[in-house]
Amino acid sequence: DQQVKQNSPSLSVQEGRISILNCDYTNSMFDYFLWYKKYPAEGPTFLISISSIKDKNEDGRFTVFLNKSAKHLSLHIVPSQPGDSAVYFCAASGHGSARQLTFGSGTQLTVLP
Amino acid sequence: ETGVTQSPTHLIKTRGQQVTLRCSSQSGHNTVSWYQQALGQGPQFIFQYYREEENGRGNFPPRFSGLQFPNYSSELNVNALELDDSALYLCASSLALEGETQYFGPGTRLLVL
Repeated sequence: DQQVKQNSPSLSVQEGRISILNCDYTNSMFDYFLWYKKYPAEGPTFLISISSIKDKNEDGRFTVFLNKSAKHLSLHIVPSQPGDSAVYFCAASGHGSARQLTFGSGTQLTVLP
Repeated sequence: ETGVTQSPTHLIKTRGQQVTLRCSSQSGHNTVSWYQQALGQGPQFIFQYYREEENGRGNFPPRFSGLQFPNYSSELNVNALELDDSALYLCASSLALEGETQYFGPGTRLLVL
């Protein structure tokens, strides 16, 4: 039972354009959401997060949108750069002492020069 | 500020053997979580340690065990290795009671033959 889903395994975008990565979740107890970027042979790198009390969080070129009623979040990268090419993971955590992260299966983003 | 480090980077074992993986948390962080990432999937939560005690556990059998030391570093031990244990093992550190963002190390690639 996948509680966090990234339905697009891959996405290709032209340099300078917007990249939109999507994520859906099923567990209504999730209240904190994160995006990580992962290059081959490296661990995931934290990008941006959002609490369920907000619907938008922005950090430079990265913006995360949260739609709680639809249980959907998205990551927007504007403008996209070739160095953004990586696997992007959506993760969620909920109430509980461990605050464990539940990850989606990832989306491979390729930014074409 | 020192990031999360893990050792070794790669490891080859045979079925039935035991393995110990090590993690040093980011300076100032007191909580360590371990994740298993199989090929083509997102990381899966194994367990978390806080104040040298297990603070939550995912759906992994008891042959996966861990330790946390007074300096907040941690070990993951896996007994009776199985072929399906071949994966990237990721350690993440965070500061309890200050949000849910976890910062990952580069991982240990384990191959079980």
